[in-house]
Amino acid sequence: GENVEQHPSTLSVQEGDSAVIKCTYSDSASNYFPWYKQELGKGPQLIIDIRSNVGEKKDQRIAVTLNKTAKHFSLHITETQPEDSAVYFCAATPNQAGTALIFGKGTTLSVSS
Amino acid sequence: ETGVTQTPRHLVMGMTNKKSLKCEQHLGHNAMYWYKQSAKKPLELMFVYNFKEQTENNSVPSRFSPECPNSSHLFLHLHTLQPEDSALYLCASSLELESSYEQYFGPGTRLTVT
Repeated sequence: GENVEQHPSTLSVQEGDSAVIKCTYSDSASNYFPWYKQELGKGPQLIIDIRSNVGEKKDQRIAVTLNKTAKHFSLHITETQPEDSAVYFCAATPNQAGTALIFGKGTTLSVSS
Repeated sequence: ETGVTQTPRHLVMGMTNKKSLKCEQHLGHNAMYWYKQSAKKPLELMFVYNFKEQTENNSVPSRFSPECPNSSHLFLHLHTLQPEDSALYLCASSLELESSYEQYFGPGTRLTVT
């Protein structure tokens, strides 16, 4: 089955710096890769996603890149702000109809001002 | 607010107690999910319901019993739990049971088993 590895587990940056979180997946047939942000006391919330027919997607300060050959995808946050501090999860779909997402272990991002 | 509510937000129970977690979604979705979130571990999918029918049970112990009376409500009945069951239990919903549809999560129930 699908397996998703996420690195790093913790990331500390200064406000204004960029942050990059990387994930790898094992099932080459996976075709949907969302990123979720979980703030303290809340459930995960989708912030951006990418499908296998594109290599990059951007939404303001957030971007995701996908390398299908290498089976990895990354989240890029530019000009980080303290409110970006949260736990970020990547996920991938296994190649089985009607099944749910497989999540990475999460990255705790801390942005200090 | 995501449109998915969970009650209670916090629950402390003894190993011999019986309690239930409730999830309600106001989004008109057809698929609902229970996840377990433990520290330092990935989100663990427990159960999946599609149009009130259970479609997936990821080898969850029988001390966890789900119930889905309709597409808007999902329950997780708990009995004779173990301390290692202490975790954040998250409910989610999606429009359809296809993993490419966005899942909307509730805030979770923080469960402590003493």
